[in-house]
Amino acid sequence: EDKVVQSPLSLVVHEGDTVTLNCSYEVTNFRSLLWYKQEKKAPTFLFMLTSSGIEKKSGRLSSILDKKELSSILNITATQTGDSAIYLCSQIQGAQKLVFGQGTRLTINP
Amino acid sequence: GAGVSQSPSNKVTEKGKDVELRCDPISGHTALYWYRQSLGQGLEFLIYFQGNSAPDKSGLPSDRFSAERTGGSVSTLTIQRTQQEDSAVYLCASRAIQGASKAKNIQYFGAGTRLSVL
Repeated sequence: EDKVVQSPLSLVVHEGDTVTLNCSYEVTNFRSLLWYKQEKKAPTFLFMLTSSGIEKKSGRLSSILDKKELSSILNITATQTGDSAIYLCSQIQGAQKLVFGQGTRLTINP
Repeated sequence: GAGVSQSPSNKVTEKGKDVELRCDPISGHTALYWYRQSLGQGLEFLIYFQGNSAPDKSGLPSDRFSAERTGGSVSTLTIQRTQQEDSAVYLCASRAIQGASKAKNIQYFGAGTRLSVL
């Protein structure tokens, strides 16, 4: 099974800072990579990146896929305390099951 | 329903007891997934349903774990003779298989069941 690795595992910044979260994947036949935000229990969908669309943006959040480096980054600008969460990177494999990285726990201090 | 619903939200049980966890997917979603999230870990795939059949059970950790789905809707994950290492948050997700390409690839998650085995 292909592996998804995220870094850093934990990050603490001050409100207003910009953060970059990393995700690397191993894949033979890339399909899609999905980012989720998990604040309490239910992961909520952020972005899906496919081979035909390498950058997504929504407000202060953006994500880029680097197919050559087999990696993706999630950027958050002008961070707010509400951005504190675990950010999960996942890859679609097999019968559409998701393989997840360990997640990055982001803490935004006021 | 509006979202994926799971019950109970919390379950405390004694080692050796059986537990049942329930998932009610988004109405019309025919694909349903179970994942497990142990403390400090990412989500681990358990089983996938398409309709009432489970073409991929590869993530079930042992034969103490089983799942079923009836009527193409509600699914139940059963853990028999629970062990302390079964303690985790069990998450369910559903996905539409028809519609726009992007929508078909997005899994929507429930809030999960936190299982504690004493």
